Amino acid sequence: GDSVTQMEGPVTLSEEAFLTINCTYTATGYPSLFWYVQYPGEGLQLLLKATKADDKGSNKGFEATYRKETTSFHLEKGSVQVSDSAVYFCALPGGTSYGKLTFGQGTILTVHP
Amino acid sequence: NAGVTQTPKFRILKIGQSMTLQCTQDMNHNYMYWYRQDPGMGLKLIYYSVGAGITDKGEVPNGYNVSRSTTEDFPLRLELAAPSQTSVYFCASSYQGAEAGNTIYFGEGSWLTVV
Repeated sequence: GDSVTQMEGPVTLSEEAFLTINCTYTATGYPSLFWYVQYPGEGLQLLLKATKADDKGSNKGFEATYRKETTSFHLEKGSVQVSDSAVYFCALPGGTSYGKLTFGQGTILTVHP
Repeated sequence: NAGVTQTPKFRILKIGQSMTLQCTQDMNHNYMYWYRQDPGMGLKLIYYSVGAGITDKGEVPNGYNVSRSTTEDFPLRLELAAPSQTSVYFCASSYQGAEAGNTIYFGEGSWLTVV
């Protein structure tokens, strides 16, 4: 079935460092791909998405490019801030239930001043 | 600008007790979901609904029940609570399914501990 694999964390960076969180997927066809972020004590919120191959999603300085050749959707940010400390989830639709998202296990990011 | 609202935010239950987690959304979304999040894990789908009167099981439905009598509300019932149900529960909604690239909107979560 459809699935997503994220790099294992946690990831600890200094402020202004470059961030990459790897995400690869297994799916039939070319599904939409999502990155969600969960700040401490809060629910998940959409960070960015790409709905077709070669699309680039971007938001708040984060970017991810939908690469069908490598079945990847890696999240990047050129200069992280302390406020980016959160858990990041890669996700794709499908699995056994129509309409839902299947999530990766999440990557904890901690950014130090 | 309420979005998805869950109550209660925190609850401690004794083994064998029952309770209902309430969820309401004011975005007129057709789809609603209940997920649980265990420490260090991703989210697992418990139940979902594609419209009023229609519900279906997700990946981990055992020990739970749902109903969808209105578009706005999607309560989750825990029967005979067990320690394995200690988790954070998230209600979510979307206009249509994620397959169409639709954003799923999440509530803030309900922290449940079963002792």
